[in-house]
Amino acid sequence: DTGVSQDPRHKITKRGQNVTFRCDPISEHNRLYWYRQTLGQGPEFLTYFQNEAQLEKSRLLSDRFSAERPKGSFSTLEIQRTEQGDSAMYLCASSLGWGNQPQHFGDGTRLSIL
Amino acid sequence: KQEVTQIPAALSVPEGENLVLNCSFTDSAIYNLQWFRQDPGKGLTSLLLIQSSQREQTSGRLNASLDKSSGRSTLYIAASQPGDSATYLCAVVSDKLIFGTGTRLQVFP
Repeated sequence: DTGVSQDPRHKITKRGQNVTFRCDPISEHNRLYWYRQTLGQGPEFLTYFQNEAQLEKSRLLSDRFSAERPKGSFSTLEIQRTEQGDSAMYLCASSLGWGNQPQHFGDGTRLSIL
Repeated sequence: KQEVTQIPAALSVPEGENLVLNCSFTDSAIYNLQWFRQDPGKGLTSLLLIQSSQREQTSGRLNASLDKSSGRSTLYIAASQPGDSATYLCAVVSDKLIFGTGTRLQVFP
């Protein structure tokens, strides 16, 4: 069990650029979640996958955001035309099943928009 | 809409004290409740998961209780240590986690 891995750990980019983050869940975990956390707040749900199917998207996930999980393994989160308000920590979590199984989090990707 | 509140927002105590962190939620229709620890600039570490049919869970110096009917959970930390300094987050579990804003704990020697 190597834990949930996220890459990169930090990303600094100029407003208007596109960015992509990667998450590798714990192997055999079929559920994968993305959350966003701003300073001083708890994480907020963005979207989740069961295997390769994206089952729910938050209203926070504007059309500039897209997430994929090809083949039900790793996942990517892309933000197009970044804005200042996108600056946050993006957290990925995975779990085996749902509800009664704990979610395990990665260390996150901190995005800073200049 | 589910709302999760944590009190206090911040807490500073001397080493050795026993602590109680509070979490309340507005909708009792939850599957489970999970407590996490977050160190500065880091992700979340799961501490305890209480299933909806359970009243409490224990792990070492940590004990978490759940009262669904009143919409409350508490995290009890016994004999606090400086290494316990972190932000503690509770989250109610449905298909996804809904988090409170956390309690920032500082334990000084």
